[in-house]
Amino acid sequence: EDKVVQSPLSLVVHEGDTVTLNCSYEVTNFRSLLWYKQEKKAPTFLFMLTSSGIEKKSGRLSSILDKKELFSILNITATQTGDSAIYLCARAGSARQLTFGSGTQLTVLP
Amino acid sequence: DVKVTQSSRYLVKRTGEKVFLECVQDMDHENMFWYRQDPGLGLRLIYFSYDVKMKEKGDIPEGYSVSREKKERFSLILESASTNQTSMYLCASSTDFQPQHFGDGTRLSIL
Repeated sequence: EDKVVQSPLSLVVHEGDTVTLNCSYEVTNFRSLLWYKQEKKAPTFLFMLTSSGIEKKSGRLSSILDKKELFSILNITATQTGDSAIYLCARAGSARQLTFGSGTQLTVLP
Repeated sequence: DVKVTQSSRYLVKRTGEKVFLECVQDMDHENMFWYRQDPGLGLRLIYFSYDVKMKEKGDIPEGYSVSREKKERFSLILESASTNQTSMYLCASSTDFQPQHFGDGTRLSIL
């Protein structure tokens, strides 16, 4: 089975904290690892990772992939209340399909 | 910007009804997907389509069917709605090897 496991399932922090979200996956037909942010509506794309050890960065968010240990992390520094969301990790095993983890619910308190 | 539009944000139906959820994308993407999202279970793929009139079963196709008569439109059909199909339904589209883009979702309640 092509499992994707995210941890923690939920996290509550205060503004200014740094958080690390984890995603582990199984190796079958791996192409890439994607991160999405979901607030009230549509999941919005954050990063797509295909190579090990290369950090992708966008503002206060960054992500890295370890293809040897089969995991990825998403870091958010200096968190803000607007970062409160569900963060979804997904594995692409083919050109089209994604397998999603159950998500991490992040709550940032003022 | 890619726009994926789902016809309804909220929908309430009764058990046994036939339910249609519509999705339209404006970026000429060949791939379209239907997921359901339930707390603690993440997004689970119901069906996807990689071309007009083509469809493939996802992980949980039972109780659902789909239709893709035009490239931009992908419909999800609940043939006879049941209470266990109460969920958030998300549509997405993509081109090969590229991230999927999602609609805002339809929160469906079956009474």
